[in-house]
Amino acid sequence: AQSVTQLDSQVPVFEEAPVELRCNYSSSVSVYLFWYVQYPNQGLQLLLKYLSGSTLVKGINGFEAEFNKSQTSFHLRKPSVHISDTAEYFCAVRENSGNTPLVFGKGTRLSVIA
Amino acid sequence: EAGVAQSPRYKIIEKRQSVAFWCNPISGHATLYWYQQILGQGPKLLIQFQNNGVVDDSQLPKDRFSAERLKGVDSTLKIQPAKLEDSAVYLCASSHLPGQGSRYEQYFGPGTRLTVT
Repeated sequence: AQSVTQLDSQVPVFEEAPVELRCNYSSSVSVYLFWYVQYPNQGLQLLLKYLSGSTLVKGINGFEAEFNKSQTSFHLRKPSVHISDTAEYFCAVRENSGNTPLVFGKGTRLSVIA
Repeated sequence: EAGVAQSPRYKIIEKRQSVAFWCNPISGHATLYWYQQILGQGPKLLIQFQNNGVVDDSQLPKDRFSAERLKGVDSTLKIQPAKLEDSAVYLCASSHLPGQGSRYEQYFGPGTRLTVT
């Protein structure tokens, strides 16, 4: 079974500042890793995913994440945030075989301050 | 392509009443998931369908929750009777089967927000 820990429940940051949202996972098998964003009263939208290959993955809206196998981490970063990035961010994992469901962390609330 | 559709978007019921949610996945997606998202938590899988068969319902509270997927397309999730702790957002997602298109991505609908009073 897999589990995901998002280390910060809330992250306030000023507009145009950099941000890092932390995610650690636990699994006995190889996994795929995902970051989703959820805007108020909306469903989840995929930001980026790590499947294999380069450990630095780039996603939409200027976000990127780095997979670190030794530290079992998949932290999300953005060099300069905008007000519109205010949302809930979820890290998720799933086994890299079969058609398995996602296991989500509890989420990190990113609040961008003008 | 059209996204995952869900209805209703909001529902308020009293405890012990029944409620049903509907989901229409993306056309051609064989796999359908129902997740429960309680306030302040990440989504948790309730049930996974592949075509019209159940793949995983280990976390579905079967004494009160039921789900079906007719003809491998639309799905309904029912709660009867509802409890206060069922207040949550119910998310539907769909994906291709492995070997068809991008099997790694799940596409989510907007969710149904249920309030049990």
